[in-house]
Amino acid sequence: QAVLTQPSSLSASPGASASLTCTLRSGVNVAIYRIYWYQQKPGSPPQFLLRYQSDSDKRQGSGVPSRFSGSKDASANAGILLISGLQSDDEADYYCMIWHSSAWVFGGGTKLTV
Amino acid sequence: EVQLEQSGAELKKPGESLKISCKASGYIFITYWIGWVRQMPGKGLEWMGIVFPSDSDARYSPSFQGQVTISVDKSINTVYLQWSSLKASDTAIYYCARHKYYYDEADYWGQGTLLTVSS
Repeated sequence: QAVLTQPSSLSASPGASASLTCTLRSGVNVAIYRIYWYQQKPGSPPQFLLRYQSDSDKRQGSGVPSRFSGSKDASANAGILLISGLQSDDEADYYCMIWHSSAWVFGGGTKLTV
Repeated sequence: EVQLEQSGAELKKPGESLKISCKASGYIFITYWIGWVRQMPGKGLEWMGIVFPSDSDARYSPSFQGQVTISVDKSINTVYLQWSSLKASDTAIYYCARHKYYYDEADYWGQGTLLTVSS
């Protein structure tokens, strides 16, 4: 079972909110990890969006609007990327990432259609 | 302005060797880690390894350990990713990315190098 699991696709309407989940494998406790989120558009490298550990330990990427935010759902053992006020330009692939067992691990990515 | 400029696209045959590069500018090169990420056609991101240019401390993903070599030339602010014998399955886009600490985010990325391995 993969360390990080993301839904392969998600569709949402312009102006709405989208909640992208990144579920950690059982036994890998989301509470102790910083969750990193990246956006990748076709033909471009990934772009750092934000990292989230807690409300007191979070960082927004340079120039990333505040409508991108992070959180955790401890009951689901998952990290969440919330995008509010969806715009057509938000259509992209989104990857979560953690530093786990001395290595970077990526989720499989979610293709967001707006 | 921070920039990571990667070398151009490559077309190679199976069994050939290759070294691709990532040239950094706009910051103090030896104070940031540089990592490499693979993206196979139509697939997701895979972390390969990371190096600290100051002392060439390199760490590899278990999946890529022994398959590639990451090296540094401090004199020209450049990090390399090297293969000794390419396989068709190495066909992918390779990205370099900068980290302040090896365990923290990659804040700047190169534009990517497309490698095609085909007989």
